[in-house]
Amino acid sequence: DQQVKQNSPSLSVQEGRISILNCDYTNSMFDYFLWYKKYPAEGPTFLISISSIKDKNEDGRFTVFLNKSAKHLSLHIVPSQPGDSAVYFCAATRYSGNTPLVFGKGTRLSVIA
Amino acid sequence: NAGVTQTPKFRVLKTGQSMTLLCAQDMNHEYMYWYRQDPGMGLRLIHYSVGEGTTAKGEVPDGYNVSRLKKQNFLLGLESAAPSQTSVYFCASSLPGGFQPQHFGDGTRLSIL
Repeated sequence: DQQVKQNSPSLSVQEGRISILNCDYTNSMFDYFLWYKKYPAEGPTFLISISSIKDKNEDGRFTVFLNKSAKHLSLHIVPSQPGDSAVYFCAATRYSGNTPLVFGKGTRLSVIA
Repeated sequence: NAGVTQTPKFRVLKTGQSMTLLCAQDMNHEYMYWYRQDPGMGLRLIHYSVGEGTTAKGEVPDGYNVSRLKKQNFLLGLESAAPSQTSVYFCASSLPGGFQPQHFGDGTRLSIL
């Protein structure tokens, strides 16, 4: 049973517009969420995170929104740039203890110039 | 600063052969992880370690063994390789805590014929 779901395998966006990547989770024990970006032939790199005590976290062009009641989070990229073209993974865990990350299957973002 | 280094980058094995994948990190991280990435499956945790001399099973541990004899190294072994173990393997490390951002190596592409 998938605990972290990214239901859109791919997304295409025009350069300069907003990219919105979605993620849903089913385990109500998760209280910390991270986004990773992955380029081909490279390992994933950490992008941004959010704790369940917040509903928004912003870092430059990247903003993550968390809706706990809906068990839903989204990553917004504004404005989108061609260099943002990559696979984005959502991951979830518990802040306390040693609970390993659970990753979604990823969304491939293509930013078209 | 090399970060996380995985050796080898590519390998082709025959069914039944054994091999060891090496992961080395120079960030003095306590936690280390092994994942596999298969098309459409995202990142799945094989085994992880929360400190030197300790290991624990992840989501898909069958057919793999690990050892963490030194803090900076985490070895993943395949005792008798099977075609189902054809995958891209990623190692990661982090500070203590499941919520900490993980730093990934660039992966080992393993094909088993």
